[in-house]
Amino acid sequence: KNEVEQSPQNLTAQEGEFITINCSYSVGISALHWLQQHPGGGIVSLFMLSSGKKKHGRLIATINIQEKHSSLHITASHPRDSAVYICAALMNTDKLIFGTGTRLQVFP
Amino acid sequence: DAGITQSPRHKVTETGTPVTLRCHQTENHRYMYWYRQDPGHGLRLIHYSYGVKDTDKGEVSDGYSVSRSKTEDFLLTLESATSSQTSVYFCAISAGGTWGETQYFGPGTRLLVL
Repeated sequence: KNEVEQSPQNLTAQEGEFITINCSYSVGISALHWLQQHPGGGIVSLFMLSSGKKKHGRLIATINIQEKHSSLHITASHPRDSAVYICAALMNTDKLIFGTGTRLQVFP
Repeated sequence: DAGITQSPRHKVTETGTPVTLRCHQTENHRYMYWYRQDPGHGLRLIHYSYGVKDTDKGEVSDGYSVSRSKTEDFLLTLESATSSQTSVYFCAISAGGTWGETQYFGPGTRLLVL
C-alpha cells in the first residue's frame, strides 16, 4: 500500500463543473504539496500547505492534518484544467512521498 | 517560469551503454534533485544535491550516480543502462533547504533503454 493515496485515479467532467481530488496519507506529515502535470509533461507546483486552506484563482486546497487528508478543488472547471494532479506529502521523517496522480479531463 | 533546462529531452540507448543527463538552472538555487516517473508510481527521488560537490542518495539511487561541479549544473549518469531504467527523468530545484520548500521542475527527459 502506498503511503500516499489519491482518488479518483481518473476523472472526467463537463466544463463548469466543480471538481474535487482527494489525497490521503497513512503516517504523520508536516506539509503537503499539490502539483499539476500538463499533457506535455511539464510539472508545476500549485500549493504547499500544512494547515487550513489556500486559494489561488479557481483552485482551492484544504488539509486536515489530524484526519490525514487533503483535497484539491477546482471551481468552474475549464478544458485547460485538463492535467494530472499530484499530491506529495512531506513525512515527519523528512521524506517527500508522491502520489501516483489523478488524471482530469474536462470536456467543453 | 523557473529557468531550468534538461538535455537531452529524448534519448534512445542500448543496454550496457553509459548515459548522462544534464540539468541546468539559471536561478542560482542551492538545491537540485533528480526524479524518475514511471506508470503506477509517483515521482521517486534518485539523488539530490544541497550544494556544489554535496550530494546524497534518494530512495531509488541504485545504478545511478550524480555530480555537481557548478551551482548551475547537476548531472545524472547511468553507468551501464538497463531496460528497467527506461523512464521519464525530471530535474527540480528549490531555493530552500527543507523538503517543505516549493520545487520547480524541468521539462523532463524521456529515456528508452533497448
